[in-house]
Parts: sequence; structure tokens; C-alpha cells
Amino acid sequence: NAGVTQTPKFQVLKTGQSMTLQCAQDMNHEYMSWYRQDPGMGLRLIHYSVGAGITDQGEVPNGYNVSRSTTEDFPLRLLSAAPSQTSVYFCASSYRDSRDTQYFGPGTRLTVL
Amino acid sequence: GENVEQHPSTLSVQEGDSAVIKCTYSDSASNYFPWYKQELGKGPQLIIDIRSNVGEKKDQRIAVTLNKTAKHFSLHITETQPEDSAVYFCASQTGANNLFFGTGTRLTVIP
Repeated sequence: NAGVTQTPKFQVLKTGQSMTLQCAQDMNHEYMSWYRQDPGMGLRLIHYSVGAGITDQGEVPNGYNVSRSTTEDFPLRLLSAAPSQTSVYFCASSYRDSRDTQYFGPGTRLTVL
Repeated sequence: GENVEQHPSTLSVQEGDSAVIKCTYSDSASNYFPWYKQELGKGPQLIIDIRSNVGEKKDQRIAVTLNKTAKHFSLHITETQPEDSAVYFCASQTGANNLFFGTGTRLTVIP
């Protein structure tokens, strides 16, 4: 099993550009989530999904979109990047919900200029 | 929403000594409290968790205690080793999908 994979590892965008962060898991987990990690602020939940076709907002959803067309994939879209979105983004998955063991990907470091 | 405070932000201990990290939470309905270890350049990894019906849980050198009345929980690492050096995060959950993290503790174990 590859576990949770994320691409790219690093990305630099200009303000206003759009991009998609990819996340995939091969553990047949129902629950997937996106967090951002900023210095001194821990991890904050952006969006999550409890299964294919179902998504919901977390603590900091503004400026981000998600979709879940398959169990394996959960991409995060930035529609119009802003410097405030400079952060490290982590995708995670677990069997059913976030009270089950969450497995995190290696992260994507995003810089918005 | 939930507010999780974590202390200290940095902690240095001599190899073989114990380390204690403390967290408090605000929502009395919180019922799940995991601890994560994050090594440099990697994603967080669950090391131990505790649920609201248990006061203490131990796994080899790691233990977590929970005081629901005072709304605080702690991570205890005994006989620390250099490979324990990392950033540790506590988290608190209300309901099925709202997990709130503390701000992290950077633990350094000095050989």
C-alpha cells in the first residue's frame, strides 16, 4: 500500500492563479480531509468528505473547493490564489470518520506571491 | 468552535528523562483526544488517543491522561530517546468530523 499520496510536493503560484492539489489513498477509506498548517497555529480543517459524492466544510473553507467523485481521490482546488493561502497542506484519510486513525500524506508546500 | 491550548511550545529534556505536554479544551461535548507526532518534512502520525469514557491509556513508553471535569489532557513520554525528538500535537473532537488541533510542542531530546 502506498497509503496517502499528495502531489505536488512544492508549488509557487502568483496571486489570482488557480491550481489543484491532488490527494489519493489506496486503503479504501471512506473519510478524507484537507488541513492547512501554518506556523504557530497547528492544523486547521479546510474540507472533509465521508464518502464518494459527499463533502462538507471544515473550520477554514473560504477560497477552497473540493469534490469526491471516487473513494480514492479527494482534490483540493484553489480558484484564485491569495498570499494568505501560503501554507503547508496535508491530506488525510481514515476508515469511517476522524475518530478513526487518520493517516496523513507527506504534504504540499504552497507559496503564493 | 472548540479552542485547544497546548503547552509548552518547546521542551528540551535529557535522554532518559520524562517529558509531559499538556492541553486544555473548551467544549465539554468533546469526546475524542488524539496525539500526533510530526517529524521534519513529514505528515503527522497518530501515536496514541483516548476517548471520553477512559481516564488513562498507556502504550509502552507513552501514556495519555484525561480529566474531563477540568477539561485537560496530557501526554507523558518516559525514558525519552533521541528519536522522540519531533513536534507533538494534541487534538480534540466534538461530533464525528470536527477535529481541532493544538499549536504544537517541539520536543528536543538531548543525548
